[in-house]
Amino acid sequence: ETGVTQSPTHLIKTRGQQVTLRCSSQSGHNTVSWYQQALGQGPQFIFQYYREEENGRGNFPPRFSGLQFPNYSSELNVNALELDDSALYLCASSLAGTDNYGYTFGSGTRLTVV
Amino acid sequence: AQSVTQPDIHITVSEGASLELRCNYSYGATPYLFWYVQSPGQGLQLLLKYFSGDTLVQGIKGFEAEFKRSQSSFNLRKPSVHWSDAAEYFCAVVKYGNKLVFGAGTILRVKS
Repeated sequence: ETGVTQSPTHLIKTRGQQVTLRCSSQSGHNTVSWYQQALGQGPQFIFQYYREEENGRGNFPPRFSGLQFPNYSSELNVNALELDDSALYLCASSLAGTDNYGYTFGSGTRLTVV
Repeated sequence: AQSVTQPDIHITVSEGASLELRCNYSYGATPYLFWYVQSPGQGLQLLLKYFSGDTLVQGIKGFEAEFKRSQSSFNLRKPSVHWSDAAEYFCAVVKYGNKLVFGAGTILRVKS
């Protein structure tokens, strides 16, 4: 089975720009969650997508938005980038309707905002 | 609100020595608890998880963890550390809706 794939692995953006990060979920998984991991901190939940709709959101402003596609892949979009958005963004896929909480994480996208 | 505390930011152990990483949680009901490991530049790998039942949980790579409700703890242990265990370790709890709440992490250094 394939794991979770994220792209790109690294990117540098300028403050005020917009960015799109991509995630392909593990085969058989139908739910995607996004996490932000700032340097020296644990991952923070951004939001989760199930059946192409947002299914829960953490304490992040509306300029963080996402999409889920029919093949369960997902995008994270961040508008009006700020310096504090610099972080590792992790995607995790899982299968809804099970109670084993079998999350599979990707290797992340390292975003640097300058 | 649920929270997870990992009191130790850094821990250094000698190769072959035993290891215990601490995790305390704040949660009203029976928590679903996890330990993940993150190597530099990598995503998170699940070591083990506790939902219910036996309070001593076995995981991958020789790790185990013990759930102690009276102490609100879920400490990770390994009897003999290998140099390849050097990484950052995160304790996490599931919040309703399948959202993981993570601690700040403990960086493990292994000296030879």
